[in-house]
Amino acid sequence: QVQLVESGGGLVKPGGSLRLSCAASGFTFSDYPMSWIRQAPGKGLEWVSYISSGSNYKGHADSLKGRITISRDNAKSSMYLQVNSLRAEDTAVYYCARGVVIGGSNSDAFDIWGQGTMVTVSS
Amino acid sequence: QSALTQPASVSGSPGQSITISCTGTSSDVGSYNLVSWYQQYPGKAPKLMIYEGSKRPSGVSNRFSGSKSGNTASLAISGLQAEDEADYYCCSYAGSGTFVFGTGTKVTVL
Repeated sequence: QVQLVESGGGLVKPGGSLRLSCAASGFTFSDYPMSWIRQAPGKGLEWVSYISSGSNYKGHADSLKGRITISRDNAKSSMYLQVNSLRAEDTAVYYCARGVVIGGSNSDAFDIWGQGTMVTVSS
Repeated sequence: QSALTQPASVSGSPGQSITISCTGTSSDVGSYNLVSWYQQYPGKAPKLMIYEGSKRPSGVSNRFSGSKSGNTASLAISGLQAEDEADYYCCSYAGSGTFVFGTGTKVTVL
């Protein structure tokens, strides 16, 4: 079935780095834009980053710009998020999400979500 | 990229109708017909309920409907049921490959 599985989270010291991965299955990954969205404990959703289906278009939240790199490998049906200079406020569940595509057009919404991977930044 | 403004909580009795507002700016909600709405239960991933302002994905109850006027989008839930008790978030495309979520609304079924 259509599925997204995140991995790579864990406990990291302030100033450290992490590379999160999102493995897709059950659909043609290369046809869909993808995003990372995070949620701090007890808080709301925060969009983090976007990558188009062919990696030619990317967007990042201002709050993380300069510290994150989004990438994807369509041959491996996988997406990645590199986060550097981690801070306590980056502590959150990080979700990967598939962009809605209907009739070949992007609808700029997120229809499939992974279960999330927890990132904890603490000394 | 300031978060869209939603009421912190909305409540209603079973069978009633409620509406959740989502106020943005002319740079996001007001500029694009690309508001989506998500339902989230505690400890679970969000679920898409509405996209492109008013369209329902397959499988979503027609008790959920979306609309937009100016810089404010709305999600209406009719015939409120116990299973509708959850957190709801709006999200808007904001240009240049960026998105912004709302602050979230907790719906309580009395």
